[in-house]
Amino acid sequence: QSALTQPASMSGSPGQSITISCSGTSSDVGSYNLVSWYQQHPGKAPKLLIYEDTKRPSGVSNRFSGSKSGSTASLTISGLQAEDEAAYYCCSYAGTTTFVIFGGGTKVTVV
Amino acid sequence: QVQLQESGPGLVKPSETLSLTCAVSGFSINSGYYWGWIRQPPGKGLEWIGNIYRSGSTYYNPSLESRVSISLDTSKNHFSLTLNSVTAADTAVYYCARHLMDHYYHRTSFDYWGQGSLVTVSS
Repeated sequence: QSALTQPASMSGSPGQSITISCSGTSSDVGSYNLVSWYQQHPGKAPKLLIYEDTKRPSGVSNRFSGSKSGSTASLTISGLQAEDEAAYYCCSYAGTTTFVIFGGGTKVTVV
Repeated sequence: QVQLQESGPGLVKPSETLSLTCAVSGFSINSGYYWGWIRQPPGKGLEWIGNIYRSGSTYYNPSLESRVSISLDTSKNHFSLTLNSVTAADTAVYYCARHLMDHYYHRTSFDYWGQGSLVTVSS
């Protein structure tokens, strides 16, 4: 099964908001399958930002929010900051054959 | 605080077996959750390899299933990955992580990660 589809790169100015999309199919992002999002700085391990489509773990800034419509999930970063420059990955439950699938990743640049 | 730490050889020869161990501290792997492996080739995205539950039940990425095995040692509170018949395409940073996966609620998330271990496949 192919990776979930994310834009390869996005950019924004400090203070702006950007929304990263994650497109899949009814076998993964669609239906009742739940999505998580991760932030990864260069040379570091990924960090969980959003789980179960919209929930934030304790300690994650409320500038990060998740949503989903149909087979597309989205991560919105509000009030963009220099420290938000990183790669972002979505991940979906994908049923009892494939189980887990990641998106290809989106590199966010703060200009 | 849950912490995970990967260990193992950084260099493996083609056709041989890659073996990594993930030591878990701050949480007993017998207490629940799945325990998983994810890899990331240099400059590329994340790929889920598989996971294991405290009962020993495992789930694997279908694309790797024929070559991969995950086991756990509850007495040492660690779990391990073996990948057979490696090629250069298996060169990657390998991460271990605590994995919440639920077939009933259709959810998956990795909340604690190790720092990663670079494994290079080369002769």
